[in-house]
Amino acid sequence: DADVTQTPRNRITKTGKRIMLECSQTKGHDRMYWYRQDPGLGLRLIYYSFDVKDINKGEISDGYSVSRQAQAKFSLSLESAIPNQTALYFCATSDTHRGQETQYFGPGTRLLVL
Amino acid sequence: QKEVEQDPGPLSVPEGAIVSLNCTYSNSAFQYFMWYRQYSRKGPELLMYTYSSGNKEDGRFTAQVDKSSKYISLFIRDSQPSDSATYLCAMFTVGRGSTLGRLYFGRGTQLTVWP
Repeated sequence: DADVTQTPRNRITKTGKRIMLECSQTKGHDRMYWYRQDPGLGLRLIYYSFDVKDINKGEISDGYSVSRQAQAKFSLSLESAIPNQTALYFCATSDTHRGQETQYFGPGTRLLVL
Repeated sequence: QKEVEQDPGPLSVPEGAIVSLNCTYSNSAFQYFMWYRQYSRKGPELLMYTYSSGNKEDGRFTAQVDKSSKYISLFIRDSQPSDSATYLCAMFTVGRGSTLGRLYFGRGTQLTVWP
């Protein structure tokens, strides 16, 4: 089984709809992240959480919100989806080992907002 | 100016070629440098990890960091079609008030190795 899972894998929605993307991990990591990836723009950080009580905005948090329900779960919400939120969304977790920070990515959610 | 600059390519080479991928950065506080590989329709996976300046070799892959020039490179020797992927550089420094800070990614370079 995958260590970082994302649901749904693909989603089509309409402008103005609320949508939630979910992420679960079995790696036991405290740190979790949400990124979006757009062609030509690379990965951009939306929100990150260093533990259950710690939530931080990333580069592009406007229009998004998150919830860290447990160490293993980190959800991303689009309160009122708009077409320019069409993108590939990745959840990631990280740990530190001997000073090395390694991020482990989920398989991604492909979102289309019409 | 973005923290990390990376030419998105695309880069297309024949099998067996030596591939050079590069990133520049502006924040002199970056201490840790990574390369991630992303296959089509998959999440990125860590490929190489280096700390500070110098070289690190792992099989056909060599990562170089030149902090004085704020320039990092990934070399792939004897490239194979299975190396076809997007390669993203990433870097970070120790964050304030926490053990480690967040990662900054380049845009990624799309590489195709044709047989």
